[in-house]
Amino acid sequence: AQTVTQSQPEMSVQEAETVTLSCTYDTSENNYYLFWYKQPPSRQMILVIRQEAYKQQNATENRFSVNFQKAAKSFSLKISDSQLGDTAMYFCAFMKRNNAGNMLTFGGGTRLMVKP
Amino acid sequence: AAGVIQSPRHLIKEKRETATLKCYPIPRHDTVYWYQQGPGQDPQFLISFYEKMQSDKGSIPDRFSAQQFSDYHSELNMSSLELGDSALYFCASSFRQGGSPLHFGNGTRLTVT
Repeated sequence: AQTVTQSQPEMSVQEAETVTLSCTYDTSENNYYLFWYKQPPSRQMILVIRQEAYKQQNATENRFSVNFQKAAKSFSLKISDSQLGDTAMYFCAFMKRNNAGNMLTFGGGTRLMVKP
Repeated sequence: AAGVIQSPRHLIKEKRETATLKCYPIPRHDTVYWYQQGPGQDPQFLISFYEKMQSDKGSIPDRFSAQQFSDYHSELNMSSLELGDSALYFCASSFRQGGSPLHFGNGTRLTVT
């Protein structure tokens, strides 16, 4: 079974600054996918970014980028030029690589507050 | 682009009653998932369906059942409701292909009184 740990229950950042959210995971799988989802106060779960474990290059989506360290089983999310709309709960999630189903295992979440 | 549609948005039931939640996946997505998110918790996987057949099963209570219909919409049926069933219930859909991201609906907020 996989476990995902987010060690920072809450974080805050000033608008326009950069913040990094931590995530570690434990698995015996060699091929898998990692995701960050955002859940704003509206409660919707929004996909932020996706990383394939067999790719060494870190994924990037506009102001969002990851630092994927496979050996350390670490998958942090960096948000650059933080905006007020980035205020949300952020969940790190793990997915095994197979065609038997794409079930996600989530971490406990980090609540991010962007301050004006 | 079309998203995952869930209904109702809010639902209030009393203990021991029954509730039915509906989910309409993104067109052409062949897999549907149900997740339960308690207050202040991360989403927990309940059950999934691929091409109308149950695919995976998580921490779904025996009082709950689900199915996927010929038009690919799915329903989660919850009976003998308990106070602890109060939560946000998400439906998500994806392609079967490994690594396909899950797209979530807006959720159904169930309150059991």
